[in-house]
Amino acid sequence: AQSVTQPDIHITVSEGASLELRCNYSYGATPYLFWYVQSPGQGLQLLLKYFSGDTLVQGIKGFEAEFKRSQSSFNLRKPSVHWSDAAEYFCVVEAGNTGKLIFGQGTTLQVKP
Amino acid sequence: KAGVTQTPRYLIKTRGQQVTLSCSPISGHRSVSWYQQTPGQGLQFLFEYFSETQRNKGNFPGRFSGRQFSNSRSEMNVSTLELGDSALYLCASSLEGLGNQPQHFGDGTRLSIL
Repeated sequence: AQSVTQPDIHITVSEGASLELRCNYSYGATPYLFWYVQSPGQGLQLLLKYFSGDTLVQGIKGFEAEFKRSQSSFNLRKPSVHWSDAAEYFCVVEAGNTGKLIFGQGTTLQVKP
Repeated sequence: KAGVTQTPRYLIKTRGQQVTLSCSPISGHRSVSWYQQTPGQGLQFLFEYFSETQRNKGNFPGRFSGRQFSNSRSEMNVSTLELGDSALYLCASSLEGLGNQPQHFGDGTRLSIL
């Protein structure tokens, strides 16, 4: 069965520091992968997506992610974190063209001034 | 272009009651999916509708049901509410529900059961 694991439940970084959020997935074929962000009391906003092709994908707000098939990973990165990036981040895999999204447990990012 | 609209934003109900939540997708989107978000279970898929038909269903009891209208708007109904149904219910829409079509989420309906 498809699954997504985000090993870090909570991460704290200083403003201006770099960020990497880890994500590992389990899926039989090439997956459709997404990163979403959720601010408190809000819905989910799509940061970026990977379908095929270039394994380094760029998203909104300066985020990027790299798909590594050999490691079954899709880690999210940002070179310099801003205080407004504090939120919960979800790594998501789409379950085989069914429209069903499978979410990781989420990583809460706290940004220190 | 207007985003996904969910109403109401907040609801308070008591055990045993039923509730109906509404979702208006982005104009032109024909697929609507529903998710339940709780602190303990995270985000879980409830069901997906396309062209007024339920195409996919998650692992929830029959008390959870939904429907979709000809204008793609969708409603979700929960009957005989239980305390454990307290959650944020999120609706998402996409063009046709295909895997390579990103889903766009509404802000959710916060349901509290007393």
